[in-house]
Amino acid sequence: EVQLLESGGGLVQPGGSLRLSCAASGFTFSSYAMSWVRQAPGKGLEWVSAISGSGGSTYYADSVKGRFTISRDNSKNTLYLQMNSLRAEDTAVYYCALMSDDYVWGSHMDVWGQGTTVTVSS
Amino acid sequence: QSALTQPASVSGSPGQSITISCTGTSSDVGSYNLVSWYQQHPGKAPKLMIYEVSKRPSGVSNRFSGSKSGNTASLTISGLQAEDEADYYCCSYAGSSTPFGGGTKLTVL
Repeated sequence: EVQLLESGGGLVQPGGSLRLSCAASGFTFSSYAMSWVRQAPGKGLEWVSAISGSGGSTYYADSVKGRFTISRDNSKNTLYLQMNSLRAEDTAVYYCALMSDDYVWGSHMDVWGQGTTVTVSS
Repeated sequence: QSALTQPASVSGSPGQSITISCTGTSSDVGSYNLVSWYQQHPGKAPKLMIYEVSKRPSGVSNRFSGSKSGNTASLTISGLQAEDEADYYCCSYAGSSTPFGGGTKLTVL
């Protein structure tokens, strides 16, 4: 059974940093692209970032480009999202998602984790 | 403002059919057969219901179907059931991004 378990969320002050993790199991992690998607309180889904199976290609939404960094450790079956210079508008539940293929563009989000909550507030 | 436009809400009675639209442009929905739909119950993670416009993942009821015409994709749920009450989001490949629609709240009356 495919499982994705996010962790690392919490309360952080504006301008601060957090690193989210997503532990994966039940599939060959290195063979699939992964994404981060967030949902602000009471709002819809927003794609944040994605990474290819090898980790060689990374992509970001304009809203986080230059502040967030996606990475993966295929030896540990773990996906990461390093979030710097956090703003109030980054407050959201962050989901990791298993993409349907090794490449990002054109594949869909097959399985989602349960999410981890990030709150940016002073 | 979302790149893809969905109605904020739709409703139907048990047993009826409803359709949720997802309108994009010739740069996303209109150019690629890569529209997916996700169901989200309150406080839960999204779940894939339809991919590549009309394909159903294993385990998803055949009451859910998808289609596309021009720049508009649609999700149809037939034989509405109480457990179908949820938020539904469309998503489309758009070249170098993957925008979501704003979401549609489905109420089963």
